[in-house]
Amino acid sequence: AQSVTQLDSQVPVFEEAPVELRCNYSSSVSVYLFWYVQYPNQGLQLLLKYLSGSTLVESINGFEAEFNKSQTSFHLRKPSVHISDTAEYFCAVSDGGATNKLIFGTGTLLAVQP
Amino acid sequence: NAGVTQTPKFRVLKTGQSMTLLCAQDMNHEYMYWYRQDPGMGLRLIHYSVGEGTTAKGEVPDGYNVSRLKKQNFLLGLESAAPSQTSVYFCASSWLQETQYFGPGTRLLVL
Repeated sequence: AQSVTQLDSQVPVFEEAPVELRCNYSSSVSVYLFWYVQYPNQGLQLLLKYLSGSTLVESINGFEAEFNKSQTSFHLRKPSVHISDTAEYFCAVSDGGATNKLIFGTGTLLAVQP
Repeated sequence: NAGVTQTPKFRVLKTGQSMTLLCAQDMNHEYMYWYRQDPGMGLRLIHYSVGEGTTAKGEVPDGYNVSRLKKQNFLLGLESAAPSQTSVYFCASSWLQETQYFGPGTRLLVL
C-alpha cells in the first residue's frame, strides 16, 4: 500500500525567506508524485508533478521539487516566498495505475509573515 | 470551460436527513472522484468512477453512495446524515491517468 507523510503541519516563515516543505512517500511500485496548493476557501490546484524524466520539476511561480528515489522524498522548495504564497500544500502519490487514485498527505500550512 | 463545478456550496443538515451533492465537469474526462477533507487528515477518497455507469469504493465509502449515469456528472448521496459526515467534500476529474482537476468544494454541516 502507498502512503504519504508530511511531517510539518505548519511552517511559519518571513517574507522573502527560503522555505522547504517536506514530503516522504512509501510505495512498492513506481510512483507519480504531485504537489497541490489550496488557498483559503478554495479547491486544490496542481502546483507541479513528477511523472518521469528529470528529477527536478518546477512550477510557474517559482516553486520546485526534487524526486529522490533513494530517500523516497519529494520536498518542495522556494528560494524567496511572498505573502501570497500563504496556503495549504498537499503532497500526493499515485501509482499511475488504471484508476489513477491519489493518496494525499495530511498537508502543510505555509504561513508567510511580513 | 467551467472546469469542475459542485452544487451546493454549503449545506446544513440535521442528523438522519438525506441529500445529494452534484459534481459536473465539462472537460470530457473519463475518471471522476469524491474526496472528503477533514482537519489534520488531508483528503481521503470516498468513491470514484472510471467511466459512465461504473463506480467503485475508495478509502472511506461507508455512509455514502454514488452514481455516474452521465459521463459529465458524478453524484454523491448521503442517505442518513450523521455528525461524523460534517466535512468539506471535493470532487475531481481526470482524463485517464492524467492530472486530477478539483472543484471548489461543498461545506457540509450535520447537526
